[in-house]
Amino acid sequence: EAGVTQFPSHSVIEKGQTVTLRCDPISGHDNLYWYRRVMGKEIKFLLHFVKESKQDESGMPNNRFLAERTGGTYSTLKVQPAELEDSGVYFCASSQVSSGRSEQYFGPGTRLTVT
Amino acid sequence: GNSVTQMEGPVTLSEEAFLTINCTYTATGYPSLFWYVQYPGEGLQLLLKATKADDKGSNKGFEATYRKETTSFHLEKGSVQVSDSAVYFCALSRNYGGSQGNLIFGKGTKLSVKP
Repeated sequence: EAGVTQFPSHSVIEKGQTVTLRCDPISGHDNLYWYRRVMGKEIKFLLHFVKESKQDESGMPNNRFLAERTGGTYSTLKVQPAELEDSGVYFCASSQVSSGRSEQYFGPGTRLTVT
Repeated sequence: GNSVTQMEGPVTLSEEAFLTINCTYTATGYPSLFWYVQYPGEGLQLLLKATKADDKGSNKGFEATYRKETTSFHLEKGSVQVSDSAVYFCALSRNYGGSQGNLIFGKGTKLSVKP
């Protein structure tokens, strides 16, 4: 069974540019989560999809971030325009919806560097 | 609000030494508690978990006990190996109905084990 995959693994962009990160969850997992870790700080929750619906987006930092999950499969996270403080590692995770205590499986992360 | 505090690293040990990484939490209700591990160049992996008070999670020689009275979930291993070198994250989650809520992480503790 393929794990959670993320693309790209690393992205370097200039301030003001746009970047789109992609996450492919484990097949059949309805829950999809985005997190990010800014240098030296905790991994912070961004948002949670159940299928194609946003269950909780309380962690999204501002309206420069837009997450979508069309069709309830893969998800994209767009940052437009990027700022220096957006640099960090963005993780995606997925889990099954049926169990309230199911494990979240994480992808390897996308390292975003804004210069 | 909910939060997790874990001991700052880095931690450097010799092979076969005893390991303790402290973790305390603040949460309302009855969260589930987790330890995740990130090996160099890889994504986060669930190491162990506990879903209610006095539960002990264990895996690969690591153990942690959910202590509600001290709001702690300390990670221990009796004899570390070089291959245990990684970053360890303590985390909690609230559970909502049939879905696991988002994870709240500590800052992570980097462990280096020397031969």
